[in-house]
Amino acid sequence: KNEVEQSPQNLTAQEGEFITINCSYSVGISALHWLQQHPGGGIVSLFMLSSGKKKHGRLIATINIQEKHSSLHITASHPRDSAVYICAVTFSGGSNYKLTFGKGTLLTVNP
Amino acid sequence: DAGVIQSPRHEVTEMGQEVTLRCKPISGHNSLFWYRQTMMRGLELLIYFNNNVPIDDSGMPEDRFSAKMPNASFSTLKIQPSEPRDSAVYFCASSAGTGEREQYFGPGTRLTVT
Repeated sequence: KNEVEQSPQNLTAQEGEFITINCSYSVGISALHWLQQHPGGGIVSLFMLSSGKKKHGRLIATINIQEKHSSLHITASHPRDSAVYICAVTFSGGSNYKLTFGKGTLLTVNP
Repeated sequence: DAGVIQSPRHEVTEMGQEVTLRCKPISGHNSLFWYRQTMMRGLELLIYFNNNVPIDDSGMPEDRFSAKMPNASFSTLKIQPSEPRDSAVYFCASSAGTGEREQYFGPGTRLTVT
């Protein structure tokens, strides 16, 4: 079964801390997406990657294809980073538009 | 660009009523997706259009749901008759080209069926 697992489910941090959210998947993928959803809000695409590492501001996404694992890092976290972070993948050999979503990680950053 | 536009943002209706959700994709994007998000099931793809043609509607729950894309700038998702279990947030997303592309999501429509 093609699955996407995220950990932790919930994460509470103090402002300024370094945050890591993990995503693992069961079989080969074409691409992996990291999405951000603020409470009651819309969904924003943060990264799409199929290898290596991408950086945007304080956010860094890495992927290890061999280990079927990706991490999203937030440096110098801030209360405005509080949101649900969702990992989604398109599986190899499947439809390249079809995202399979993880259940999300709820991040709370306290001032 | 204004991004993906959805309307209404909130809809409260009674069981049995018809509900129509609307989406305007980003200009120039030729792929459009309708998703449903619930606490129990998370995000699920309902239907995917490419160049206004429905390519994959395998996620549409049942015949009560239908979607159309009459032109490149407009799509609707209709539920008739609505049921309380249809209560969810419905997102529209669009992307440019085909294959692996970043998807841009609209703000969502929160539907409550009483």
